[in-house]
Amino acid sequence: TQLLEQSPQFLSIQEGENLTVYCNSSSVFSSLQWYRQEPGEGPVLLVTVVTGGEVKKLKRLTFQFGDARKDSSLHITAAQPGDTGLYLCAGARGSNYKLTFGKGTLLTVNP
Amino acid sequence: NAGVTQTPKFQVLKTGQSMTLQCAQDMNHNSMYWYRQDPGMGLRLIYYSASEGTTDKGEVPNGYNVSRLNKREFSLRLESAAPSQTSVYFCASSGDIYGYTFGSGTRLTVV
Repeated sequence: TQLLEQSPQFLSIQEGENLTVYCNSSSVFSSLQWYRQEPGEGPVLLVTVVTGGEVKKLKRLTFQFGDARKDSSLHITAAQPGDTGLYLCAGARGSNYKLTFGKGTLLTVNP
Repeated sequence: NAGVTQTPKFQVLKTGQSMTLQCAQDMNHNSMYWYRQDPGMGLRLIYYSASEGTTDKGEVPNGYNVSRLNKREFSLRLESAAPSQTSVYFCASSGDIYGYTFGSGTRLTVV
C-alpha cells in the first residue's frame, strides 16, 4: 500500500503555464517535505511544512499543507524549462525522522 | 563542500559477487539512511540509523546489511548480489525534521 499518492505521474507543459502537483494520503503526517530531483542526481530539498494549513512560497513555487495534515500541493507559476525534473513529496510520522516517499511527478517544461 | 558523499558512482557486479557501498556526511547529522530508487517504485527505505551505534530495517532490507561505523559513515553491503538488486542507491542524512540531504547516488547493475 502506497502511503503517499502523487498526481499526476507525468506532466508536460509549455513555458509560461501554471501547474499544480498533488500529494495525498489517508494518514496524518507530522511534517511533509517536497524534493526536486534532476537526472543523475539525488533529490534536493525544496521545503518542509509542519503546520496544518501552512502555506510557504519559494519564488514561483507555492507549497500548501492540508488542514488535516494528510495532503499537500505544489503550485508553480509561469513555469520555466529550468523547473523540469522529478518532484517528490515525503512525509514523516510522529517524532521519527524516517520519511516515506511518493512515487513522484515527472515535470517537463518545454521552451 | 558540505554534504553527503557516496562511492562508487557506478558499479557492475556479477550475480553472487559482494560489494560495499560507502557513504559519509560532514554535517554532524545523527540520522543516516539508505534508499533504493527503481522506475515506477519510487524511493524505498532499505535500512536506517537513527544515531551512532543503532541500525534498523526499512521497507526492503532483504539481501542487504549495514554498518554505522561512526557518526559520519554508514555503509551498505550486498553479500551475494542478485539481478533484482540492480538499482540506483541513495544515502541520506538528517539532523532534524526539516529535511534530508542526499548523496548523488550509486548506479548498480547486477548481471
